[in-house]
Amino acid sequence: GAVVSQHPSWVICKSGTSVKIECRSLDFQATTMFWYRQFPKQSLMLMATSNEGSKATYEQGVEKDKFLINHASLTLSTLTVTSAHPEDSSFYICSARGDSPSNQPQHFGDGTRLSIL
Amino acid sequence: GQQLNQSPQSMFIQEGEDVSMNCTSSSIFNTWLWYKQDPGEGPVLLIALYKAGELTSNGRLTAQFGITRKDSFLNISASIPSDVGIYFCAGQLGWGAQKLVFGQGTRLTINP
Repeated sequence: GAVVSQHPSWVICKSGTSVKIECRSLDFQATTMFWYRQFPKQSLMLMATSNEGSKATYEQGVEKDKFLINHASLTLSTLTVTSAHPEDSSFYICSARGDSPSNQPQHFGDGTRLSIL
Repeated sequence: GQQLNQSPQSMFIQEGEDVSMNCTSSSIFNTWLWYKQDPGEGPVLLIALYKAGELTSNGRLTAQFGITRKDSFLNISASIPSDVGIYFCAGQLGWGAQKLVFGQGTRLTINP
């Protein structure tokens, strides 16, 4: 149980385009989803926390107009990187948690490798 | 903000050896979690600890929640090649939609 699916796993696009990443909880209702960014050989850096039906809470230094987060249902959250530039290239990972003991800890998706040319 | 000090940063061991890593914090946490991350993938939850003093096993893995609630360790017994990866500890202050604080990771390399 507590499976989180992230799509796409890898995306390459031109500078200036917008990229949408999806995060789905497959077998539980995710009351809260989290979006992280990870640079090579570093730990995970939390970007934002989102609760279903409400606005996301962004960490200090993360531009909310640059990284748009939508959590429209209890099983889906999306991260849109708007007008992406090479410095936005990174590994983006989502996680989700529910309310029951089995899915209360955060469970992670497999990540999305974003490369901006 | 809160920080977790995870050590060692890297380990190079022989197959079959036991492994021990730990995390310490200046803050008290109510939950400690241990994750493993393989290259190009997301972290996978190994063990979750919810009570001070709790000792929990998952196969060859054993983790403990420190009595002071400021530390945790993870042991791996009789390491095998598939144990290679990066191990992260994470602390959570409370219940509900609480964000995690991550350690810097321990990179485990195993020589066959």
